[in-house]
Amino acid sequence: EAGVAQSPRYKIIEKRQSVAFWCNPISGHATLYWYQQILGQGPKLLIQFQNNGVVDDSQLPKDRFSAERLKGVDSTLKIQPAKLEDSAVYLCASSLRQAPLGTDTQYFGPGTRLTVL
Amino acid sequence: AQTVTQSQPEMSVQEAETVTLSCTYDTSESDYYLFWYKQPPSRQMILVIRQEAYKQQNATENRFSVNFQKAAKSFSLKISDSQLGDAAMYFCAYISNFGNEKLTFGTGTRLTIIP
Repeated sequence: EAGVAQSPRYKIIEKRQSVAFWCNPISGHATLYWYQQILGQGPKLLIQFQNNGVVDDSQLPKDRFSAERLKGVDSTLKIQPAKLEDSAVYLCASSLRQAPLGTDTQYFGPGTRLTVL
Repeated sequence: AQTVTQSQPEMSVQEAETVTLSCTYDTSESDYYLFWYKQPPSRQMILVIRQEAYKQQNATENRFSVNFQKAAKSFSLKISDSQLGDAAMYFCAYISNFGNEKLTFGTGTRLTIIP
């Protein structure tokens, strides 16, 4: 079974530029998550999709971050414009179903390391 | 809000020896799940072990086992017969089984294996 795929693996941009990350979840997984992991910290949830609907985006900085999940499969996360503090690893994860949430293990992709100069 | 605390930023162990990583959490819920994830330098978070709070029996997965103390809100990970491939960051994580809760991670413990 193929795992969660993410691209690119690395990205370096100047501040105020825009950037986009792509995620392809495990086939058949209904729920998709985007996390931000700042160096030295644990991942923090940015947004959660159930199929193609947003379940939780309470910690997404909506003035600069946006995300979509087309047709309930692939997802893109965009930052525009980027700030220095956005430098982090962006992890995508997926799980088979949502309810009950806790019984479902999340499987993670390899992440994208973003450096903002 | 739930919090997860890992008080050991770094740990080291001799190859083939046993090491225990600590994790405590704070919650008012009674039904929840706890996880240990491993993150090697490749950055991919890999599930190591999962524990359901309603189960009294401690989870085990080959060389990995947990000591789950629900009353003390403690969830430690024991790695037996440590191998070089075990070197990684280890994250403890919590999620409530009620409602639409988030997976909450600790700050991680960096484990070094000494040959």
